[in-house]
Amino acid sequence: RKEVEQDPGPFNVPEGATVAFNCTYSNSASQSFFWYRQDCRKEPKLLMSVYSSGNEDGRFTAQLNRASQYISLLIRDSKLSDSATYLCVVNEGYSTLTFGKGTMLLVSP
Amino acid sequence: SAVISQKPSRDICQRGTSLTIQCQVDSQVTMMFWYRQQPGQSLTLIATANQGSEATYESGFVIDKFPISRPNLTFSTLTVSNLSPEDSSIYLCSVVAGASNQPQHFGDGTRLSIL
Repeated sequence: RKEVEQDPGPFNVPEGATVAFNCTYSNSASQSFFWYRQDCRKEPKLLMSVYSSGNEDGRFTAQLNRASQYISLLIRDSKLSDSATYLCVVNEGYSTLTFGKGTMLLVSP
Repeated sequence: SAVISQKPSRDICQRGTSLTIQCQVDSQVTMMFWYRQQPGQSLTLIATANQGSEATYESGFVIDKFPISRPNLTFSTLTVSNLSPEDSSIYLCSVVAGASNQPQHFGDGTRLSIL
């Protein structure tokens, strides 16, 4: 059974803090990896793809460790608008996605 | 990325009735999918909508309950039949515009409540 595990949180952090989310996946043959953001009662929106070399998009940095089957997301200088649920998503091949249950982030003033 | 329009955005239905949800994309896409997200849960794939042929259903989902159409590369419908309170959920369509390892993009979702 293919699984994606995330700490459900919630992570409560003040504005300006750095926060890191971790995710592990069970299928070593998984092909591609993503972080999505989902606001309350809204659809998931792609935050960033995750590459083996690591990638950065502004305040967001994603890392992939295939050997450990581990994915991370780092958010620097947290903003109030970063409050959301962050979904770790693994593509098992042929667009078959396995979703983690999400990690909730609450950024407070 | 593609613009995905999903209708209706929400509905309240009586038990035993059916609801058809439409997903329209502004450009041709290679793959379309239908998901369900129950309260407090993550997304569960219902089926892959195949253009011009029967959808491919995941374990636990059957065509009689969730008939799907995809007449072309820009449009699909999901019908939820014989509604019961357990069908109260958010239903989402998603698309892949390019290769199968590309990310999926989601419609706004349909929030369905059953009386």
